[in-house]
Amino acid sequence: DVKVTQSSRYLVKRTGEKVFLECVQDMDHENMFWYRQDPGLGLRLIYFSYDVKMKEKGDIPEGYSVSREKKERFSLILESASTNQTSMYLCASSLAGRADTQYFGPGTRLTVL
Amino acid sequence: DQQVKQNSPSLSVQEGRISILNCDYTNSMFDYFLWYKKYPAEGPTFLISISSIKDKNEDGRFTVFLNKSAKHLSLHIVPSQPGDSAVYFCAAQGAQKLVFGQGTRLTINP
Repeated sequence: DVKVTQSSRYLVKRTGEKVFLECVQDMDHENMFWYRQDPGLGLRLIYFSYDVKMKEKGDIPEGYSVSREKKERFSLILESASTNQTSMYLCASSLAGRADTQYFGPGTRLTVL
Repeated sequence: DQQVKQNSPSLSVQEGRISILNCDYTNSMFDYFLWYKKYPAEGPTFLISISSIKDKNEDGRFTVFLNKSAKHLSLHIVPSQPGDSAVYFCAAQGAQKLVFGQGTRLTINP
């Protein structure tokens, strides 16, 4: 059974803190994605990665960075958290060339105070 | 600039009836369209897809229709069941990534 796990279900941080969100997949997928989900805006792509050490900006990369040192792990970093980064963060993975069928983790609800 | 739009934030349907969820897109270069379903506290799960070269794809109770000239797709669920209550996201694939709509919350009433 395919599985994408995210390090935390709920996270509360203060403005200015550095925040790490971790995502691990056990399907040997090449592609990994980070989205944020906000009411009325749907899922918006922050960053994605085709392979280890590779990254591509999505539609809303500002204020975020990513790291992919191992194939199974994709980290999202908020260098200096702000209140407008309060959101649900979803990680996903897919096979190479198959960005259509993505497998999602359960999400991390991040609140920045 | 929203390339994929779901204009109905919510939809309420009687159990056993047909549910129709709609989605519009602007980019004619999209080559694949998908529907994902999301329950609370879970990540979205893939439901059904359609290639841009087709106009219909059916999988059990779920059928997706694509009208390329109108840049419109729809998801039909028949008959609707209580377990279908969820948020449904339309998505379009282009350049090795997906663009999602805003989502429609479907509620099936007994």
